[in-house]
Formats: sequence, structure tokens, C-alpha cells
Amino acid sequence: DGGITQSPKYLFRKEGQNVTLSCEQNLNHDAMYWYRQDPGQGLRLIYYSQIVNDFQKGDIAEGYSVSREKKESFPLTVTSAQKNPTAFYLCASIDRGGSYEQFFGPGTRLTVL
Amino acid sequence: GDSVTQMEGPVTLSEEAFLTINCTYTATGYPSLFWYVQYPGEGLQLLLKATKADDKGSNKGFEATYRKETTSFHLEKGSVQVSDSAVYFCALSDSWGKLQFGAGTQVVVTP
Repeated sequence: DGGITQSPKYLFRKEGQNVTLSCEQNLNHDAMYWYRQDPGQGLRLIYYSQIVNDFQKGDIAEGYSVSREKKESFPLTVTSAQKNPTAFYLCASIDRGGSYEQFFGPGTRLTVL
Repeated sequence: GDSVTQMEGPVTLSEEAFLTINCTYTATGYPSLFWYVQYPGEGLQLLLKATKADDKGSNKGFEATYRKETTSFHLEKGSVQVSDSAVYFCALSDSWGKLQFGAGTQVVVTP
């Protein structure tokens, strides 16, 4: 089955530590996205990548970094510079061949202790 | 820039009631429009979509029509079930595939 996997599902981090969230897709999609969701709020775009070895900042990129070395993978690092990292993080990829439907992973809930 | 506005929740209704969630948008050009649903603790699932004016998206009894003249994409279902309890997001996609989401509307259906 094709889809997007995110790991881990729950992640705990101490203040001052960097942490990397995994996102893998086997849908052969070129473009991938990272969103942040806070309770009772919509999704905000952190970073996106239209193609391998290229990525752009979204609306709330400060304190985050990404890489896109492979088409299938788009890991997100939450750095110690992110002041309020506790949130639900969602990865998505897009089918640009037709209607630009985004497919989402199951999410990672990050909690800073 | 592009934006999506949807009605605030929570929307609480009884089983078999009619559901409407309003969504309006502001965009340059002709975006594709989407409704996504999120169940507790999960990612988003595409519910339905419309890619051009007057298109009607439908799925699982839900419908929404792309109205260019009113810049709207309201979600409707004629008879909701308890299993429809979730958060619903309206979204538009620009030419690069970036999604702009509304704030989400929580729907609670009681037996």
C-alpha cells in the first residue's frame, strides 16, 4: 500500500535538545510539506520541498530545519531555538499530476518536558 | 494573500440532523478547493475536492459546490451520524500545490 509514514507517533524532548521527526512516502510524489497544528487551531506551514535537494520556508520556519536528500524522505528537525515546540506535526506529500490533492501522514505529537 | 475563512465551532447536533459548515475564500486565480476531516489523534484525510467553478465534490454523503461568484465552498450533509464527529478543514491550493487551511470546525454529533 502506498502512503506516508511518520515516526515516532509520540515524542518527548527536554528543553534545549534538538529532535528529528521522520517522514517517508512511497507515493512517488515530488513535493512534500511539514505542518504544525496547535490545539483548536488550523495547520500552519513550516517548510516545503518541491523537488529533491531544494526546499523553501513556510509561514513559521523559525526554529526548524529540513533536508531533502531523497525523494521519499523529508525529515524535520526541531531545534532548541524553537521557543514553543510542543505541538502536533503533520507531514504531507502532493499529487501534482492532477488536482493537487495532499496526502497526510498520521502525525507526530511532540511534547517538551 | 490567499486565505480561507470557515465557521467557528464547535457545532453540536443530533444524529440524523442536517449539517452545514460555511467556508469562504480569498484567492488570486482559480484555486482548487478541498475539505479535509481529522479524527482525534490522527492526520487529515481528504473528504472531497473541486477543481473548478461549479464543480460539486461528494463523498460519504457529504457535498460541497465550488461557487466562484460567492467565493464559497460550503460543506453539507443531509443526515449526520455519531461517526461524523470530527474536525473539518476547508482548504485551497495555489498553483504550486501549497495548501491554505481554514481554522477548522469541530463537529459533535450526539445520539
